[in-house]
Amino acid sequence: NAGVTQTPKFRVLKTGQSMTLLCAQDMNHEYMYWYRQDPGMGLRLIHYSVGEGTTAKGEVPDGYNVSRLKKQNFLLGLESAAPSQTSVYFCASKTGTYNTEAFFGQGTRLTVV
Amino acid sequence: ILNVEQSPQSLHVQEGDSTNFTCSFPSSNFYALHWYRWETAKSPEALFVMTLNGDEKKKGRISATLNTKEGYSYLYIKGSQPEDSATYLCAFYGNKLVFGAGTILRVKS
Repeated sequence: NAGVTQTPKFRVLKTGQSMTLLCAQDMNHEYMYWYRQDPGMGLRLIHYSVGEGTTAKGEVPDGYNVSRLKKQNFLLGLESAAPSQTSVYFCASKTGTYNTEAFFGQGTRLTVV
Repeated sequence: ILNVEQSPQSLHVQEGDSTNFTCSFPSSNFYALHWYRWETAKSPEALFVMTLNGDEKKKGRISATLNTKEGYSYLYIKGSQPEDSATYLCAFYGNKLVFGAGTILRVKS
């Protein structure tokens, strides 16, 4: 039982390049989230999904796109990477029940040069 | 934009001290308030999920209270130990899970 797995763990991109981060969960969770972590700012919500085929914007969605074609996977895309997107990205998932906790992946460290 | 605020931003205490942190959040559209413990180079792990006004939760030396009417929650650590050093995050769960910036706790032995 792997829980929440993020791929890749590390990546260096050049400005303007594109990439996709994959989040996979094996707990049959309905809800999935993408966050970015920057010093002194905690976790900021980029996009989230409340079920297969659905996505919604979080607090800092600009420059990112997401897709949830399969229930177990939530993809985060950067179409044209910018240095401001250098961050650590965390994925999380939870059940649709309101009183349950979220489970996090191990994070992806992305550097845009 | 949802405003979830945590104070203090950081805290340095001696081993054995008791300490507490505050999380304030909107009092409308409330479903749950989460507390997470986040150690360096690891992923956040849940401590408590609190849903009812007046809720009190306890896990070992750590406890939390919830006031949904005024929009705040307290996290208490009794007799802090060096292994308690971490960032403590609270998160407001309405229709999405929004985190505060966290409180960094450092416990000196």
